Amino acid sequence: SYELTQPPSVSVSPGQTARITCSGDALPKKFAYWYQQKSGQAPVLVIYEDNKRPSGIPERFSGSSSGTMATLTLSGAQVEDEADYYCYSTDSSGNLWVFGGGTKLTVL
Amino acid sequence: QVQLQESGPGLVKPSETLSLTCTVSGGSISSYYWSWIRQPAGKGLEWIGRIYSSARANYNPSLKSRVTMSVVTSNNQFSLKLSSVTAADTAVYYCARDLVGTAGAYYFDSWGPGTLVTVSS
Repeated sequence: SYELTQPPSVSVSPGQTARITCSGDALPKKFAYWYQQKSGQAPVLVIYEDNKRPSGIPERFSGSSSGTMATLTLSGAQVEDEADYYCYSTDSSGNLWVFGGGTKLTVL
Repeated sequence: QVQLQESGPGLVKPSETLSLTCTVSGGSISSYYWSWIRQPAGKGLEWIGRIYSSARANYNPSLKSRVTMSVVTSNNQFSLKLSSVTAADTAVYYCARDLVGTAGAYYFDSWGPGTLVTVSS
């Protein structure tokens, strides 16, 4: 089995920078992806291949990866960014794809 | 813009087989990979498996013995069967489209709204 580890919760005030981490042994060689899930909705891709932002995603969302840790950064978090965030990646074989346990971001 | 919609029974009895279908509209099902993901209430996401054609599927090892996926290209649909279900299989089930990015890595760019399946007698 393979696991990605995220903090259960992160809290910031509006306008502050929020950072959500994701650790996994295969991350030095595998991309990390980030999904935002608001209550009752399907997840939405916000970062792919460590640091690329899909069209339509605000510039305040950014991603980085170093060693066994990937980080999602929200620069100037807004109340509308309150959601659960999941990292997603694969193990060293590339056959098992897993999500992190999720991080609840509170902006208040 | 591709759209996905899950359909199937919302209630399944223990030990029976859960069957869901995902209908793809706004684009062809061909030339893409397609996945199923599930989420128990209040919990995280779990990738179930991925299929390109009925002969090319990759399943989560933890579910592999109970999962079968297939594609019906003519209907622009793909399906999930999960056998011998228990209460632990109660979850919202999502279908999603995979894109293949750099270095052959997969990620989901479009999701269905999800459908709740409850396992109970």
